[in-house]
This record gives sequence, C-alpha cells and structure tokens, in this order.
Amino acid sequence: AQSVTQLDSHVSVSEGTPVLLRCNYSSSYSPSLFWYVQHPNKGLQLLLKYTSAATLVKGINGFEAEFKKSETSFHLTKPSAHMSDAAEYFCVVSLRGGRRALTFGSGTRLQVQP
Amino acid sequence: DAGVIQSPRHEVTEMGQEVTLRCKPISGHDYLFWYRQTMMRGLELLIYFNNNVPIDDSGMPEDRFSAKMPNASFSTLKIQPSEPRDSAVYFCASSPRDTSNTEAFFGQGTRLTVV
Repeated sequence: AQSVTQLDSHVSVSEGTPVLLRCNYSSSYSPSLFWYVQHPNKGLQLLLKYTSAATLVKGINGFEAEFKKSETSFHLTKPSAHMSDAAEYFCVVSLRGGRRALTFGSGTRLQVQP
Repeated sequence: DAGVIQSPRHEVTEMGQEVTLRCKPISGHDYLFWYRQTMMRGLELLIYFNNNVPIDDSGMPEDRFSAKMPNASFSTLKIQPSEPRDSAVYFCASSPRDTSNTEAFFGQGTRLTVV
C-alpha cells in the first residue's frame, strides 16, 4: 500500500522567512512524489515532481523539495515566503508499477503573516 | 489547450434529485480521474479510466454513484439519488500516461451542494 503523511495541518510564517512543509511517504515500491498547491476556491496546481531523476527538485515560484529515501521524506521548502504563497499544499504519491493514480496527503494550510 | 474543463462550476440540488457532473479532459490524455474533496476525508479517488475503460472504481462510495466515459473527450459522474452527505467539491483530472511518472492535470472542480 502507498500513503503520505503531512506532519503539520497548519503552518504559519512571516513574510520573508523560510517555509518548510513536511511530508513522509510509505511505499513498498519506488514512488513518484508530487507537491500540489490549492488556492482558496481554486483547482489544484502542480508545484513540482520527483520521478527518479535528481533527488533535489526545483518547482515553480521558488519552491523546491528533496527526496530522501533513507528518511522516506519529501519536504517542501522555500527560502523566503511571499503573501501570495498562502494556500493549501498537498503531498502526493504515485507508485511506479502500481495503482495508476495519485494518493493525496491530508494537506497543510500555509498562512503568511505580513 | 484550455486544460481540463468541468461543468457546472456550482450545482445546488435537492435531496433525491439526480445530479450529473461533466468533464472534458485534455486532448491526447489517456487517463481520466474523478476525485472528491471534503473537509472530513480530504481528496479521495473515486474512479479512473484508461483509454475510456474504467480501471479502478473501488473508491466509488455506493451504487448511487456511476461514471461513464463514452469517448476520449468526455466523461460524466452521476449521482442518483443525491443525498446531503454527497455535498463536496468534485475534481476531474487527466494525464497523458499513467501517473507513476507524470503528473495529473486538474480541472477547476464542481462544488456540489445537496439540500
């Protein structure tokens, strides 16, 4: 079975400070991992993806994530938060060779204080 | 491409009525997914299709829910009869190949309210 655990349901940061959203995955097979963002009343937009190439993945809007197999983690980071980053973030796993669909984490709501 | 297109964007219906949600995937994408988002359960996969064939419908909550994909450019999710607990945002997504190595592209969602 595959699953993802997002360790924080809410994260609050000040504008200009670093962002860290934590995600751990569980998979019997080699996973593909994604981060999606959802702004209020909007659809889901892909931030970045890991599909077995470089373990440090860069995405849109200055976000990046590092795949660490030994820690089964795929944490999302950004050096400096912007007000427009306030949204819900989802860590997502998909198995290679397994069920051909995405399994979503429970989400982390990021608040950015001025 | 205009992306994944869902209609309607909002639907309010009375309990017991039939509801049909519609989705047009991105042209050339072989996979189509229906997800439901609620506060209690988050985002959960209902069903997905490959080349118009339903592959996994284990997430469909009960027989009141049905989904079809009559051709590569159109899919429907039907609820009959609808109940208040079906109130949620329903997302359709498509992918050019299986999501083991590529992402899915999501529509804007249909917000369903059953009163």
